[in-house]
Amino acid sequence: DAGVIQSPRHEVTEMGQEVTLRCKPISGHNSLFWYRQTMMRGLELLIYFNNNVPIDDSGMPEDRFSAKMPNASFSTLKIQPSEPRDSAVYFCASSTRLGGLSEQYFGPGTRLTVT
Amino acid sequence: GESVGLHLPTLSVQEGDNSIINCAYSNSASDYFIWYKQESGKGPQFIIDIRSNMDKRQGQRVTVLLNKTVKHLSLQIAATQPGDSAVYFCADQGADAGNMLTFGGGTRLMVKP
Repeated sequence: DAGVIQSPRHEVTEMGQEVTLRCKPISGHNSLFWYRQTMMRGLELLIYFNNNVPIDDSGMPEDRFSAKMPNASFSTLKIQPSEPRDSAVYFCASSTRLGGLSEQYFGPGTRLTVT
Repeated sequence: GESVGLHLPTLSVQEGDNSIINCAYSNSASDYFIWYKQESGKGPQFIIDIRSNMDKRQGQRVTVLLNKTVKHLSLQIAATQPGDSAVYFCADQGADAGNMLTFGGGTRLMVKP
């Protein structure tokens, strides 16, 4: 089991550029989550998909952020245009709901730096 | 006003001692609880979970205690080792929350050799 795969692991970009973060969930998992972690705000849920459908995007900071899940094995989080305050570690997690319990498995994260 | 960084409570213990990390949750409807460990530069990793119909669950060197009356969760680590140094998060899930977890702010555990 390869676990949740995220790419790139590190991204450095200039303000105003488009950034795309990628995630491959664990095979067979039907739920996918995007989180952002900063020293200021801790771990924040951005958006959550179930069976490839966005369920709750109330955590997405603003319209510059968008997320897609075109199929069960791939999701993207896009920031356009990026700003220095978007610098953070972005985690993707996946889970499968069995009997009402759903442990989430986290990827290694993408560290984004916007200069 | 001036914004401040998230201040993580820190627990410092001597190698070999037992550690107890505490967590309070707010949703009385939560029925599932998880402890995660996050080492520097890595994503959170599952340690142990507990359902609301239990008040104690033991794993290897770890025990989770749940007190639903006061909405309190604790993680006990026996014979703490340097490799246990990390940030520990509790998370809870309500029956009506889909697969969403609500994470606490985290506690940093530092183990002194």
